[in-house]
Amino acid sequence: EAGVTQFPSHSVIEKGQTVTLRCDPISGHDNLYWYRRVMGKEIKFLLHFVKESKQDESGMPNNRFLAERTGGTYSTLKVQPAELEDSGVYFCASTEQSGLGYTFGSGTRLTVV
Amino acid sequence: GEDVEQSLFLSVREGDSSVINCTYTDSSSTYLYWYKQEPGAGLQLLTYIFSNMDMKQDQRLTVLLNKKDKHLSLRIADTQTGDSAIYFCAESKNAGNNRKLIWGLGTSLAVNP
Repeated sequence: EAGVTQFPSHSVIEKGQTVTLRCDPISGHDNLYWYRRVMGKEIKFLLHFVKESKQDESGMPNNRFLAERTGGTYSTLKVQPAELEDSGVYFCASTEQSGLGYTFGSGTRLTVV
Repeated sequence: GEDVEQSLFLSVREGDSSVINCTYTDSSSTYLYWYKQEPGAGLQLLTYIFSNMDMKQDQRLTVLLNKKDKHLSLRIADTQTGDSAIYFCAESKNAGNNRKLIWGLGTSLAVNP
């Protein structure tokens, strides 16, 4: 079984540019989560999809962040325009309907310069 | 409030036992997790414990939960160099289908030969 796939693994962009991160969950997993770890701080929840619907987006930092999950399959997280404080590692995870036991992707390390 | 705390570093000798501690503040947490992150890799679920349990053992791993003191520990028996990693404690509530995780900062375990 393929795991959760994220790409790119690394992205370096200039302040003001746009970046789109992608996550492919495990096939059949309805739940998809985005988390972020800023250097020196704890991993923070961003949002949760159930299939194509946003169940909880209370962790999204501001309106520069837009997440979508087309057809309930893969998800994208777009940052536009990127700011320096957006730098960090963005993790995606998926779970089955029961919600236990997340499977995480390897993360995307975003550096905004 | 939501707060999970862990000590940041632990150093042990190969073959010794490692004990990583975690405290949390939210008494309504239903599941508590331990995740492992090896260098350059994603977050791997090691084990989890339901809040009505005191202990869970899985091969070299023993999780102890003191719900009264809101204290969770992970013991790794016969620690090996391959156990060197960052270990994250996390909690979640049974908020319907949304099991968003609240994370500690992570404990960096160094195993010395």
